[in-house]
Amino acid sequence: QQQVKQSPQSLIVQKGGISIINCAYENTAFDYFPWYQQFPGKGPALLIAIRPDVSEKKEGRFTISFNKSAKQFSLHIMDSQPGDSATYFCAATTTGRRALTFGSGTRLQVQP
Amino acid sequence: GAGVSQSPSNKVTEKGKDVELRCDPISGHTALYWYRQRLGQGLEFLIYFQGNSAPDKSGLPSDRFSAERTGESVSTLTIQRTQQEDSAVYLCASSSGHSGETQYFGPGTRLLVL
Repeated sequence: QQQVKQSPQSLIVQKGGISIINCAYENTAFDYFPWYQQFPGKGPALLIAIRPDVSEKKEGRFTISFNKSAKQFSLHIMDSQPGDSATYFCAATTTGRRALTFGSGTRLQVQP
Repeated sequence: GAGVSQSPSNKVTEKGKDVELRCDPISGHTALYWYRQRLGQGLEFLIYFQGNSAPDKSGLPSDRFSAERTGESVSTLTIQRTQQEDSAVYLCASSSGHSGETQYFGPGTRLLVL
């Protein structure tokens, strides 16, 4: 019940296109859903996060869409750029637990 | 200020040897986490320290794994009698300890067990 399922495993998008990564969870106690971006040889860095009291959060070109009834959330990267090429991880946790449960990651490649 | 630092950046060891991995969290961060990232996979939670509270060890995969933290400073993750399946990147993160806080990750220690 702690698992977070992420898809696709890899994604190739043309420059200027929209990248979409999806995650699904089972544990209804999860109340914090961050997305992390990881470049090769680096640790993950927080990109954007959402709580289940809102259905969407936008920061620049990055948007999280959240569907509480379906227990799904997704990351949309608008106007994708080659510099966005990285591995993206969704995650979830409960306020009380703090430790993050991560998805398996999506390797995004944006072609120029 | 400085971010989370980890040492060594790379470690190669022989099966059966013990290893110690070090994490220096961001100054003032009361919460510290260890995660493991196997090649091509997501991060697995190992252990969590919050101030002087008892650590959450629920993610440790076996009794060969242990970790210590002195106060709100450095933490050491120890793996005894290493096995080849322990090969992974070990990541440390720290946070302010407040609800919904961002976890800031270090660059990780790449462990290879031969």
